[in-house]
Amino acid sequence: DAKTTQPPSMDCAEGRAANLPCNHSTISGNEYVYWYRQIHSQGPQYIIHGLKNNETNEMASLIITEDRKSSTLILPHATLRDTAVYYCIVPNAGGTSYGKLTFGQGTILTVHP
Amino acid sequence: NAGVMQNPRHLVRRRGQEARLRCSPMKGHSHVYWYRQLPEEGLKFMVYLQKENIIDESGMPKERFSAEFPKEGPSILRIQQVVRGDSAAYFCASSPLDNSGNTIYFGEGSWLTVV
Repeated sequence: DAKTTQPPSMDCAEGRAANLPCNHSTISGNEYVYWYRQIHSQGPQYIIHGLKNNETNEMASLIITEDRKSSTLILPHATLRDTAVYYCIVPNAGGTSYGKLTFGQGTILTVHP
Repeated sequence: NAGVMQNPRHLVRRRGQEARLRCSPMKGHSHVYWYRQLPEEGLKFMVYLQKENIIDESGMPKERFSAEFPKEGPSILRIQQVVRGDSAAYFCASSPLDNSGNTIYFGEGSWLTVV
């Protein structure tokens, strides 16, 4: 997997947007950026993924820079339940590596009232 | 996370006993993955299985650990002669037959404590 770098922790006020950055300067042209999160004592949860275009779903938006060397996950209106560890992952493309994800340390997002 | 069922949620074993963790994938999913999370550490890939086949077991410890995903029934992660260092959360994930990416769906995990 391409190496990713995330800040170890971030804070956000409830109701505000949470912007979580990720650097992946060694990403290859056909590698996607995936985001997962893990709420304490629960299994990881898929959030969103993208290749080069910005993506949005019911959970979040993903903004990928034009050179694809970094991205930002945006939770538009953070709630207390969004407090979790957020993982930015760039898996190897293709072959038998599907589902074989490398979880780094992630960013601990704390949403406070 | 809804849909991937793991049991038991919590399991206590004495050193030397066997632990069996079960995982039923989401309906329609035929790919199963097992991950382990040691205390205060990140999630680590262990094994990737399809029905009756082990596709990638590069993350499995070489001894005492085995996994299967039979034609019928759940996937089983088996740990023989458990030691204290096996105490961890074990997560199962699944993805559909036509999966061509890395969107996988995790269960709630099985917490193994070895005493």
